[in-house]
Parts: sequence; structure tokens; C-alpha cells
Amino acid sequence: AQTVTQSQPEMSVQEAETVTLSCTYDTSESDYYLFWYKQPPSRQMILVIRQEAYKQQNATENRFSVNFQKAAKSFSLKISDSQLGDAAMYFCAYRSFDFQGAQKLVFGQGTRLTINP
Amino acid sequence: NAGVTQTPKFQVLKTGQSMTLQCAQDMNHNSMYWYRQDPGMGLRLIYYSASEGTTDKGEVPNGYNVSRLNKREFSLRLESAAPSQTSVYFCASIPGAFNYGYTFGSGTRLTVV
Repeated sequence: AQTVTQSQPEMSVQEAETVTLSCTYDTSESDYYLFWYKQPPSRQMILVIRQEAYKQQNATENRFSVNFQKAAKSFSLKISDSQLGDAAMYFCAYRSFDFQGAQKLVFGQGTRLTINP
Repeated sequence: NAGVTQTPKFQVLKTGQSMTLQCAQDMNHNSMYWYRQDPGMGLRLIYYSASEGTTDKGEVPNGYNVSRLNKREFSLRLESAAPSQTSVYFCASIPGAFNYGYTFGSGTRLTVV
């Protein structure tokens, strides 16, 4: 079974600085999707960025980018020019499939990001 | 607004009581999911329904039952609530097996005393 590990329970960064959140995963599959979700205090789950494993190019969405290291099974999220609105819980997730082909998301433990003004 | 609607948003139960969490989506999605979120453990899958008429166990199914009432609705039942089931519960849906655009409900905070 696939597992996702986020080893940083909490991180903090100064406003306008850059922060990197770590994520590692374990899988025997060669093609898969990875995601980063943001959960602000409202509890809403917001998709931040996704990465397809067969694509070597790292995904980028405005100030958010990933460093995808397939061989190392590492998928870190970099937030540039941090803003107060970036404060949230961030979850790394892996899309897996069961034996019938139904998909499901496997989540990491989460990293709580604090932005200091 | 289109999306995933969960009811109730908050609930307090006594140990041994039963209740059903409701989830409905109006996006014609095929697959629906129930997750629980606990501090330090992320979101863990309880049950899922890949399509109408099917349900399967996830990572933490013990103490729960589900019903895929129709394509829109997927309910989660606690038959005899225990303090260990105190958590925030999320329902989610996706169009189908080849999509990745999960839509999540706003969650239900359940406390079992």
C-alpha cells in the first residue's frame, strides 16, 4: 500500500520570504499523480498544485512550485513571496487505485504553516 | 452553488448513541468518499463508493457503515459511537476514475463524550 509522509508538523516563515514543505512517499507504481492541498481555518480543502509522475518538468502555479524527485520519491512544495493568506495546514497526497480500478487519495499527516508579519 | 453538501456541520453525541452523517453532491459525480481528519494523522479514508451501487472499505472502516443511496447521496453511519470516533469528517467526490479534481465538503465536527 502507498504511504505518504510529511515530517514537518509545523513550519513558520516571515512574510515575503520563501518556504519549502517536505513530502516523501512510498510506491511501487511507475505512473501516478501527486497533489498538495491547502486547508485554511475554514476547513475547506483547496487543491494547490498537482504533478504527474511521467512528467519530468516540475509543476508551477503562480507562487507555488514543486520539486519532484521521482527516484528519491520526494515531492516538496515551495511557496515564494509568502503572504498572510498562505497560513494554513498543507497536505501532500498520492492518488492510488484499488484492484478494481477505483481511485482514492492517500494523505500525509499535514504541515501547519504560520506566516509571521 | 454546485458542490458537496454535508450535514450536520457540528454534532455532539454520547457514547453508545447512533447517528448518520449525510453527504450529497449535485455535480453528477460517480465516485464518493468519506474521510476522517485527526490531529497529526492527516485525512484517512473510511469508506468509498466508486460508482452507484458499490461501496468498499478504506483504511479505517471499523465502527462505521455506509450507504450509497443514489448517485447523489452517500451517507456514513455510526451505530454505537465511541470517544475514539471524535473527529472531523469530510465527504468528497470526483467525476470518475480518470479524473483528479476532488471536490470536498466543508466537514462535520463530531464529538463523542
